[in-house]
Amino acid sequence: AQSVTQPDIHITVSEGASLELRCNYSYGATPYLFWYVQSPGQGLQLLLKYFSGDTLVQGIKGFEAEFKRSQSSFNLRKPSVHWSDAAEYFCAVGVWETSGSRLTFGEGTQLTVNP
Amino acid sequence: EPEVTQTPSHQVTQMGQEVILRCVPISNHLYFYWYRQILGQKVEFLVSFYNNEISEKSEIFDDQFSVERPDGSNFTLKIRSTKLEDSAMYFCASRRDTGELFFGEGSRLTVL
Repeated sequence: AQSVTQPDIHITVSEGASLELRCNYSYGATPYLFWYVQSPGQGLQLLLKYFSGDTLVQGIKGFEAEFKRSQSSFNLRKPSVHWSDAAEYFCAVGVWETSGSRLTFGEGTQLTVNP
Repeated sequence: EPEVTQTPSHQVTQMGQEVILRCVPISNHLYFYWYRQILGQKVEFLVSFYNNEISEKSEIFDDQFSVERPDGSNFTLKIRSTKLEDSAMYFCASRRDTGELFFGEGSRLTVL
């Protein structure tokens, strides 16, 4: 069964600083990988996804992530954080099969942005 | 842009009562899901639904839970006899044949 680990429960950065959120997955084949963001009391918004091809994927709001097969990682990065980026970030691994599928989420990383 | 819509946004119920959460997935999507998120915890898979039947369910999805697609547009989650620990945010999601899951805004269930 697939699993996802987000080692950092809470990260605090200053506005304008760079950001990297870590994600490691466990799955026997090449998974589908996602990053979602959740603001307080809100739903889950997709930031970016990796299915195949270029291992560096660009997403919305200036985010990018890099798939590294050798490290089983899919870390999320942003070169300059804005105060509005404060939210909870979830990494997820997807297993797509013909009859159905599921996403397995990590525990989430809470991002605080200091002015 | 098409979106997944969920109703109600918030429901408060007494323990032991039945609750139905409703979802309208994106119209040309084929796979439907329910997830839940207990306050402060991660998002957990409950069930997936394809071709008018459950394709996969988690250990959380016991006999108290059921799903239905009664017509061409709605997808419902029923909790037969709610317990305190059912209090959570419930997310509906849908996807097409390939691609990402699109999530609704969630329905917050509070069981008293």
